[in-house]
Amino acid sequence: GESVGLHLPTLSVQEGDNSIINCAYSNSASDYFIWYKQESGKGPQFIIDIRSNMDKRQGQRVTVLLNKTVKHLSLQIAATQPGDSAVYFCAENSPMDSNYQLIWGAGTKLIIKP
Amino acid sequence: GAGVSQTPSNKVTEKGKYVELRCDPISGHTALYWYRQSLGQGPEFLIYFQGTGAADDSGLPNDRFFAVRPEGSVSTLKIQRTERGDSAVYLCASSLTGTPRLDTQYFGPGTRLTVL
Repeated sequence: GESVGLHLPTLSVQEGDNSIINCAYSNSASDYFIWYKQESGKGPQFIIDIRSNMDKRQGQRVTVLLNKTVKHLSLQIAATQPGDSAVYFCAENSPMDSNYQLIWGAGTKLIIKP
Repeated sequence: GAGVSQTPSNKVTEKGKYVELRCDPISGHTALYWYRQSLGQGPEFLIYFQGTGAADDSGLPNDRFFAVRPEGSVSTLKIQRTERGDSAVYLCASSLTGTPRLDTQYFGPGTRLTVL
């Protein structure tokens, strides 16, 4: 989801279910994308990345899907666990803008219901 | 060290005071970043160091903000004449080379700055 002011989009999921977190990116020249997880009181932690020459990439319990046509990125978490509770950020990089800067999305808060 | 560390974890100061925030990156990482994060928002880029030099300080909001990394390791973010609007979590990250597509940025836990 996209942020509206200070209202952080929230996704509530039953423990054990799959979670899908969405992100719309802005720059069509971006060719590298990352998902970060940020737990309360901690810095962002790298989860998974994907380059624009791929549509899908899988990690351990996580899958990232990239749709370049509509500039959309999603993170799927399988069998969601209480430890998955966090704010999830997508970030993009375009070499045309900067080789090192990441442009961050607003974040989605994932809440796990027992 | 095992990861990026930042001190202090919390800093409360009064409007108009000077503060210093410290970042210890992962040993051997040449790239170091400072970000500022407000509640519910993604990190906002402030400055990027490659070794001892500030390769890009375009994110610093004004001349009250300054950062140094004199020996290419520890970095200090300095804020003069603090204002209430400076209240935020200041994050530091380091990476091996500085190119996101080549290596990961590792973040510290942040320093929560509160200006009263």
